[in-house]
Amino acid sequence: QKEVEQNSGPLSVPEGAIASLNCTYSDRGSQSFFWYRQYSGKSPELIMFIYSNGDKEDGRFTAQLNKASQYVSLLIRDSQPSDSATYLCAAPAGDYKLSFGAGTTVTVRA
Amino acid sequence: DVKVTQSSRYLVKRTGEKVFLECVQDMDHENMFWYRQDPGLGLRLIYFSYDVKMKEKGDIPEGYSVSREKKERFSLILESASTNQTSMYLCASSQTGTFNEQFFGPGTRLTVL
Repeated sequence: QKEVEQNSGPLSVPEGAIASLNCTYSDRGSQSFFWYRQYSGKSPELIMFIYSNGDKEDGRFTAQLNKASQYVSLLIRDSQPSDSATYLCAAPAGDYKLSFGAGTTVTVRA
Repeated sequence: DVKVTQSSRYLVKRTGEKVFLECVQDMDHENMFWYRQDPGLGLRLIYFSYDVKMKEKGDIPEGYSVSREKKERFSLILESASTNQTSMYLCASSQTGTFNEQFFGPGTRLTVL
């Protein structure tokens, strides 16, 4: 089993809707989780990290962490065409490394 | 802001050539990483380094080597490039003692003909 799994997508949402992305992880000891956004042909950009159970909001983005169920999610409210990208979930793997999910591609339809 | 730079955005090489990809970070980070990213395969770790002159193999080290002579610079070397090494190469860095968040460079798209 991969350490970090993402729902495969792709996800297509209309402009203004909520996009919901999910990620599950296998290591119960994981303390922190990251969401990266990657535009086509570009490198991943860190947009959110969360380490406490519950919600963390940053503008139109909300990360949710449930350690008991071992999942982390990202909600994008009022989705815009500029949100069209691949979103990668990541969790620490050892002292230095991150384990990345395969990514979920989001397309926001105008 | 953390800045990670890579020597080239696009690179075209011929089979059998020795290829050097350079990565420099300006935030005094201890840890540096090299990944490759291919469609459908996600990010795969090639090598990483947690200190100067220290290196560890990642998931796919075959056909690659690395060098870290200075803290800010981490080089990826393809000793004899092959067509199956055509890929996007991404460098990242992170600070020890944080949550392991990594910051990526812009990437180098390497084509081996």
